[in-house]
Amino acid sequence: TQLLEQSPQFLSIQEGENLTVYCNSSSVFSSLQWYRQEPGEGPVLLVTVVTGGEVKKLKRLTFQFGDARKDSSLHITAAQPGDTGLYLCNNNDMRFGAGTRLTVKP
Amino acid sequence: NAGVTQTPKFRILKIGQSMTLQCTQDMNHNYMYWYRQDPGMGLKLIYYSVGAGITDKGEVPNGYNVSRSTTEDFPLRLELAAPSQTSVYFCASSYYDRADSYEQYFGPGTRLTVT
Repeated sequence: TQLLEQSPQFLSIQEGENLTVYCNSSSVFSSLQWYRQEPGEGPVLLVTVVTGGEVKKLKRLTFQFGDARKDSSLHITAAQPGDTGLYLCNNNDMRFGAGTRLTVKP
Repeated sequence: NAGVTQTPKFRILKIGQSMTLQCTQDMNHNYMYWYRQDPGMGLKLIYYSVGAGITDKGEVPNGYNVSRSTTEDFPLRLELAAPSQTSVYFCASSYYDRADSYEQYFGPGTRLTVT
């Protein structure tokens, strides 16, 4: 079982700032999913990355898969209060990282 | 499609009571999962199923039971509720048709309090 480490655990920023959160493992990912969970809701799938070095964009969110497929990052440009939530990664093992809890203040 | 539905949305149980959390999906997904999420924490896998009639334990199965008689339904049973089972419970499903595909779709959750 791969252990997923997400960092930072908590992040509080002002609206308009940029941020990056990370998901790492000591083992190679076959693929990786990112989810966002808004307060009081279930997680929602944002993206799946499969190929080493892959970059996917979803509006202001940029997802990158490491060349060695052991790490992934999520970069948000010009964060908005609507981006507030828990960001989770999952490595096809039914187990999730502990998540990064993001708060974007207006 | 309704996706994944869960009932009830909220429930308060007394210690020692039993209940069943219902989960239904209409996407013809073969995989289904139950997770719990304690306040401020991530998701812990309780049980999962790879198809009708097949279930297996996850990380935290103690105190719970599941069954999967149909593709659509995956109920979670609490037999003797304990305060430690106070949590939010999420059901999810996915269509595992490739070697590397675990994209999960989640229900809205059931908020359970045991007092």
